[in-house]
Amino acid sequence: DAKTTQPPSMDCAEGRAANLPCNHSTISGNEYVYWYRQIHSQGPQYIIHGLKNNETNEMASLIITEDRKSSTLILPHATLRDTAVYYCIASYSGGGADGLTFGKGTHLIIQP
Amino acid sequence: KAGVTQTPRYLIKTRGQQVTLSCSPISGHRSVSWYQQTPGQGLQFLFEYFSETQRNKGNFPGRFSGRQFSNSRSEMNVSTLELGDSALYLCASSLEAGFDTGELFFGEGSRLTVL
Repeated sequence: DAKTTQPPSMDCAEGRAANLPCNHSTISGNEYVYWYRQIHSQGPQYIIHGLKNNETNEMASLIITEDRKSSTLILPHATLRDTAVYYCIASYSGGGADGLTFGKGTHLIIQP
Repeated sequence: KAGVTQTPRYLIKTRGQQVTLSCSPISGHRSVSWYQQTPGQGLQFLFEYFSETQRNKGNFPGRFSGRQFSNSRSEMNVSTLELGDSALYLCASSLEAGFDTGELFFGEGSRLTVL
């Protein structure tokens, strides 16, 4: 898996959009960008993934730059329940031999 | 649709003992992966099973082993427990091997404390 870099922590006001950046400058052409989050004491939860195009689902939007060296996860209307550690992962869809490489992630704190 | 079920949720063992953890994947899922989470090392991949065969293995000593049954349920075993094995052990399932769908479904984990 390509190495990813995320800020260790971020704050966001409740009701505002939370924009979480991720740098993956060494990503290869067939590696996807995955986002997971982990709420305290629970297992990680899949959010979204993409290859080149921007993606949107009911939870979030994923914006990938044209050169694919960075991406942004957008939670459009953050709630207190979105407080969690968010992991950005670059990995092959066919599955790397080392599983998914979870870094330290970004601890997102939603402020009331 | 039931999620991934891990048992037991909490357990305490002493050094030198062995432990077996169980994981029941989502119905229809054939791939099961195991991860270890500790405060110092974060989430680390242990192994992946698909159709009763170990497909991939992370960088863990041979004391860590696993298996998968014909109904896709999986167990992992840690022998000769060490203090450093204290961790949250997470199981994840997916439809096919290698995260083809891009989505892993994680259980809530088994928290092991080694005294």
